[in-house]
Amino acid sequence: KQEVTQIPAALSVPEGENLVLNCSFTDSAIYNLQWFRQDPGKGLTSLLLIQSSQREQTSGRLNASLDKSSGRSTLYIAASQPGDSATYLCAVRLDSNYQLIWGAGTKLIIKP
Amino acid sequence: DGGITQSPKYLFRKEGQNVTLSCEQNLNHDAMYWYRQDPGQGLRLIYYSQIVNDFQKGDIAEGYSVSREKKESFPLTVTSAQKNPTAFYLCASSPLLRAEGNTEAFFGQGTRLTVV
Repeated sequence: KQEVTQIPAALSVPEGENLVLNCSFTDSAIYNLQWFRQDPGKGLTSLLLIQSSQREQTSGRLNASLDKSSGRSTLYIAASQPGDSATYLCAVRLDSNYQLIWGAGTKLIIKP
Repeated sequence: DGGITQSPKYLFRKEGQNVTLSCEQNLNHDAMYWYRQDPGQGLRLIYYSQIVNDFQKGDIAEGYSVSREKKESFPLTVTSAQKNPTAFYLCASSPLLRAEGNTEAFFGQGTRLTVV
């Protein structure tokens, strides 16, 4: 059974730092992996989607990588800003069905 | 603008009542989903639908029901059989998994349901 883990559960860093959020999954047979951002009391905003054949995707200050063989994805945030404070979730879509399997998220706080 | 609209944003339910959460999308997506989010936990799938008039149970379907009479709409009913319904409910949609290219999922802004 596919399991997705995000460590750490919470992270607090000063503004301006580069940081890495981790997502690991137990079964490498994935269709794609998607990173989302969730602000308190809000829905999810899609940040990046990486297909299983891709190694990384970039959008602005965000870079997501995928290593299927090791079951890992990382979300790199460059030059962090207070507005980046949110919970970041990763989800994998399996080959065999429509389900997204979710991590519990990393709550990120960027201190001014 | 294209997107997913959930309503209401906040909903209060008395014990023993059924309530229906609305989800509408204008993205022309075939697949739609309902998730439940509880503090400190990952999202859990309640129901999903790949096509009009068809839907499948997710991991926690007990106490919930759905319908898919139109491609754009996927309402969720929380019945009195759901013993612990207080949670944040999220609706999502995506293109079909077997379609070429992107299967990116998009989410609504959520409905917070509280039992009073």
